[in-house]
Amino acid sequence: EVQLVESGGGSVQPGGSLRLSCEVSGLTFSNYWMHWVRQDPRKGLVWVSRITPDGSSISYVDPVKGRFTISRDNAKNTLYLQMNSLRVEDTAVYYCASEGLAYWGRGTLVTVSS
Amino acid sequence: DVVITQSPLSLSVTLGQPASISCRFGESLVHSDGNTYLSWFQQRPGQSPRRLIYKVSNRDSGVPDRFSASGSGTDFTLKISRVEAEDVGVYYCMQGTHWPTTFGQGTRLEIK
Repeated sequence: EVQLVESGGGSVQPGGSLRLSCEVSGLTFSNYWMHWVRQDPRKGLVWVSRITPDGSSISYVDPVKGRFTISRDNAKNTLYLQMNSLRVEDTAVYYCASEGLAYWGRGTLVTVSS
Repeated sequence: DVVITQSPLSLSVTLGQPASISCRFGESLVHSDGNTYLSWFQQRPGQSPRRLIYKVSNRDSGVPDRFSASGSGTDFTLKISRVEAEDVGVYYCMQGTHWPTTFGQGTRLEIK
C-alpha cells in the first residue's frame, strides 16, 4: 500500500519559515517525480512545485518562486518543502503527491497570521 | 495560465441517477508528445483528493466502472452512470499539458 505522510505544518507569523516533510512508502521513491499541491477555500487546489526523481529539475508556481525550495532525500524516501518569507496568502493545507498526482498524503495545515 | 471553465459548480442528483461534469479549456490539451494530460479527481468530505481518471479516459485502479470520462482538445466530460451515496464530494478536473498544472474550480456533488 502506498502511503504519503506529511508533517511540519503549523502556525507562523508573516515573514516566518516552515519546513514541510513528506515520508513515502509503498513505492520506489527514487523513481518518481514528486509534487506539492496546496488547497485553500479561496483559491481551491493549486499546484505549488515538482521535482524530478534525481532532483536535477525543479519547477515552482510563480507566487512561491524565490521563497519556497523543494528537495528530496532518496535514501530517506522523503520529500521536503522549505517555505521562507511566508505570507498570509500562503495559508493552506499542503499536500505531497506522487507522479501524475496518482497518490496523495493527508495534508498538513500551514497558517500564516499575525 | 490555461483558463478552465468547470461546470456545473454544484450538482444535486437522486441516488441511482446519472451525473455529468464538464471542463472546457482555453487551449488544446494535446501535448507535443501526443498525449493529453487531463485528469479527474474526487475529494470526499474530510479527505484528500483521489485521482479517478488520467490521460482523459483511463480509470485508476479501484475506481468503479460507473465512472467514465471522455473528450478531446479543449472539451472533457466525467460521467457517473448511477450515483451512489459514496460519490458525494467535490470533483476536479486538472490539466498537466501546459505549465503550470492547473485545476478546475470544482463541482460539488450532493444527493437529492
